[in-house]
Amino acid sequence: EAGVTQSPTHLIKTRGQQATLRCSPISGHTSVYWYQQALGLGLQFLLWYDEGEERNRGNFPPRFSGRQFPNYSSELNVNALELEDSALYLCASSLGASGGYNEQFFGPGTRLTVL
Amino acid sequence: AQTVTQSQPEMSVQEAETVTLSCTYDTSENNYYLFWYKQPPSRQMILVIRQEAYKQQNATENRFSVNFQKAAKSFSLKISDSQLGDTAMYFCAFTTMEYGNKLVFGAGTILRVKS
Repeated sequence: EAGVTQSPTHLIKTRGQQATLRCSPISGHTSVYWYQQALGLGLQFLLWYDEGEERNRGNFPPRFSGRQFPNYSSELNVNALELEDSALYLCASSLGASGGYNEQFFGPGTRLTVL
Repeated sequence: AQTVTQSQPEMSVQEAETVTLSCTYDTSENNYYLFWYKQPPSRQMILVIRQEAYKQQNATENRFSVNFQKAAKSFSLKISDSQLGDTAMYFCAFTTMEYGNKLVFGAGTILRVKS
């Protein structure tokens, strides 16, 4: 069974541009989570989508946004890129939100570099 | 606010020996989940072990075990018979149902296993 996949592996952008990161969850998983792993800041929760709806959002500015598609894949968009947005962006998926905690399985990440 | 603290930025251990990684957390919730994740140089986050707060028995997974002290809000990871493949960054993480499934991570501990 395929795990969580993310694309692209690496992304290089310049300040002010927009970046789009993609994530495909494990088959059967309806929840997708996004985390930012920036140097010196550790892993920070960004967004959680379940059944197409945004369920929770971390302490990030509105230029970080995303969506979840009917096939449960997800897209993270970062507008007006700043140098400090350079980070590894990790996507995770799990079974649906109801019925207690479900284990999150992580993808390999997208390395975003902002020049 | 819920916080997770890992006080050991780096640790080293000889192959076949035992090492313990420390983690403390702060929460006012009574029902929560604790995790140890491993992130090797490949960047793939892998769940090592999980502990439900309502379970008094410490979780064990092969060479990995935890010492869960609920009153002290402590959750340490013991790795027995350390192997070179255990070399990785280890993250302690926490979540509650009230947190909407988002994981709160500690800063991480780099573990180096030496031959």
